[in-house]
Amino acid sequence: GAVVSQHPSRVICKSGTSVKIECRSLDFQATTMFWYRQFPKQSLMLMATSNEGSKATYEQGVEKDKFLINHASLTLSTLTVTSAHPEDSSFYICSAPRGGGGYEQYFGPGTRLTVT
Amino acid sequence: AQTVTQSQPEMSVQEAETVTLSCTYDTSENNYYLFWYKQPPSRQMILVIRQEAYKQQNATENRFSVNFQKAAKSFSLKISDSQLGDTAMYFCAFMDLRGGGSNYKLTFGKGTLLTVNP
Repeated sequence: GAVVSQHPSRVICKSGTSVKIECRSLDFQATTMFWYRQFPKQSLMLMATSNEGSKATYEQGVEKDKFLINHASLTLSTLTVTSAHPEDSSFYICSAPRGGGGYEQYFGPGTRLTVT
Repeated sequence: AQTVTQSQPEMSVQEAETVTLSCTYDTSENNYYLFWYKQPPSRQMILVIRQEAYKQQNATENRFSVNFQKAAKSFSLKISDSQLGDTAMYFCAFMDLRGGGSNYKLTFGKGTLLTVNP
């Protein structure tokens, strides 16, 4: 099956610093990737749609300047949390559709961000 | 906007028994997909089963099957012969196909935590 990786799996950063999370599709190309945020024991909340070659589309209520998304290539999207604060601590998950009409999305293993 | 409702926050079942998880959704669209995803303690999201709205036949995948009632906007998941490894959070998800292939947005329900007891 299709594989999506995320790096790092865990990161701890200090308040005020920025942290970058990478999402890679390992065996297929993805012109679109999605970024989700998940709080403990809650569902996935879509933050933004990452589009290769164009600007990301953010969901209502998501700060564009805080969560910078760059879809650098057909296999890589990055999420940068800028000027992180403790309330940004969460589990971040990316996904990518493989296409071909199946509409199935493949999820990365997630990144746990802790801001101290 | 579409909404997905899972009314059972938690459920438990004995090993080898059958359990059904409920999901309802609200949409005015006619062309969409429905999914059940599983999230075990590792937190890796795993696709369990999917259903195309235009198909009347209920999808099945080994021990997993769905009861898709389009008119009632209901999409329940039945797990037969439950196994300890089925213990996980289960999310029902809706995908509107209006945007075509470039818009694979998923709307998730709040999830049902299923525990399989030995």
